[in-house]
Amino acid sequence: DAGVTQSPTHLIKTRGQQVTLRCSPKSGHDTVSWYQQALGQGPQFIFQYYEEEERQRGNFPDRFSGHQFPNYSSELNVNALLLGDSALYLCASSFDRAEAGELFFGEGSRLTVL
Amino acid sequence: SQQGEEDPQALSIQEGENATMNCSYKTSINNLQWYRQNSGRGLVHLILIRSNEREKHSGRLRVTLDTSKKSSSLLITASRAADTASYFCATEAGAQKLVFGQGTRLTINP
Repeated sequence: DAGVTQSPTHLIKTRGQQVTLRCSPKSGHDTVSWYQQALGQGPQFIFQYYEEEERQRGNFPDRFSGHQFPNYSSELNVNALLLGDSALYLCASSFDRAEAGELFFGEGSRLTVL
Repeated sequence: SQQGEEDPQALSIQEGENATMNCSYKTSINNLQWYRQNSGRGLVHLILIRSNEREKHSGRLRVTLDTSKKSSSLLITASRAADTASYFCATEAGAQKLVFGQGTRLTINP
């Protein structure tokens, strides 16, 4: 049973460019959340997708957008990249339920903005 | 903003010793979770403790929760080199939306 997979694992962009990161959730999971983790910090919640809709959003600007596809996979898009967007981007999947349960994380996409 | 705050920020011990990490949080919770992260990789769920539980065990892990003090602790007994990682506590702030602390970096010296 494949866990959460993310691609690409590493990428380098320059300021002003745009980036798309991809995530396939664990089999059977229907909810995908994205987190940003700066070096030495804990993960920060960006947004969450369920039933192809953005259900919750953290304190991130509109430059950060996403999408969920009918097969539950998801994309994170970041426009007009800034140096401060350099981070590890983590995707997490879960079942939709009322109480927060265990999240399953991918290995992340390491973005470097030059 | 960070809900949980781990203490200490870094901890270095000898293999075989016990490691204790603490987490404090600000608002009332339904549950609290602990995750481990090996350097630069994804997070792995370790244990979830519900607000009506005071202590929970999983293998060499022991987690306590004191809701009156808004704090939790993670104890790793008989530490091994493979336990070297960062450890995060997390609380929920919405359906499956977790808020993480800054983590404790644990180093096990052989």
